Amino acid sequence: GAVVSQHPSWVICKSGTSVKIECRSLDFQATTMFWYRQFPKQSLMLMATSNEGSKATYEQGVEKDKFLINHASLTLSTLTVTSAHPEDSSFYICSATSGRHYEQYFGPGTRLTVT
Amino acid sequence: KQEVTQIPAALSVPEGENLVLNCSFTDSAIYNLQWFRQDPGKGLTSLLLIQSSQREQTSGRLNASLDKSSGRSTLYIAASQPGDSATYLCAVSPDDYKLSFGAGTTVTVRA
Repeated sequence: GAVVSQHPSWVICKSGTSVKIECRSLDFQATTMFWYRQFPKQSLMLMATSNEGSKATYEQGVEKDKFLINHASLTLSTLTVTSAHPEDSSFYICSATSGRHYEQYFGPGTRLTVT
Repeated sequence: KQEVTQIPAALSVPEGENLVLNCSFTDSAIYNLQWFRQDPGKGLTSLLLIQSSQREQTSGRLNASLDKSSGRSTLYIAASQPGDSATYLCAVSPDDYKLSFGAGTTVTVRA
């Protein structure tokens, strides 16, 4: 199957700093990437949908100025958590797809801890 | 808004026993349903995808059924093994695009 990578796999940062997480499709072109967050023992919650070359679409309740998403190429999307706070600590997972009606492939996730 | 519920939240069985995991969803207007496996601190691995027109899908020891009208799906894992220990997530898609996930069932298979 197709492979999606995320970097870093885990990161610890101080409150008030910004953190960037990368999501890459390694062997296919991803026209669409999705960003999810997952709290312990809870389901994945979709944060935003990003299409290559256009602005991301954020789900209700997700602050677009806090979670900046860039999808500049068909193989790379980035999520930047700006002015991070401890409540932003979570597991962030991306997925990528070649388009509608195609399977989504998930990355291994990034564990963010804000101290 | 679609709500996906998975019962039980956790399950512990001895090796060799069959597993039955349940998933229910509130809006039956789905395009497909997927079952995923998630190991601790890891991403998701797709196990089975059932299109809305299908009743079931099988892959090896795994079998998933779908009753769209009643908003239910069941994942059966035959002859469980310790390596099956993981969290199993159910997700539905209204349009083969966005996914709505359940909270998962954490399975422990005791050797």
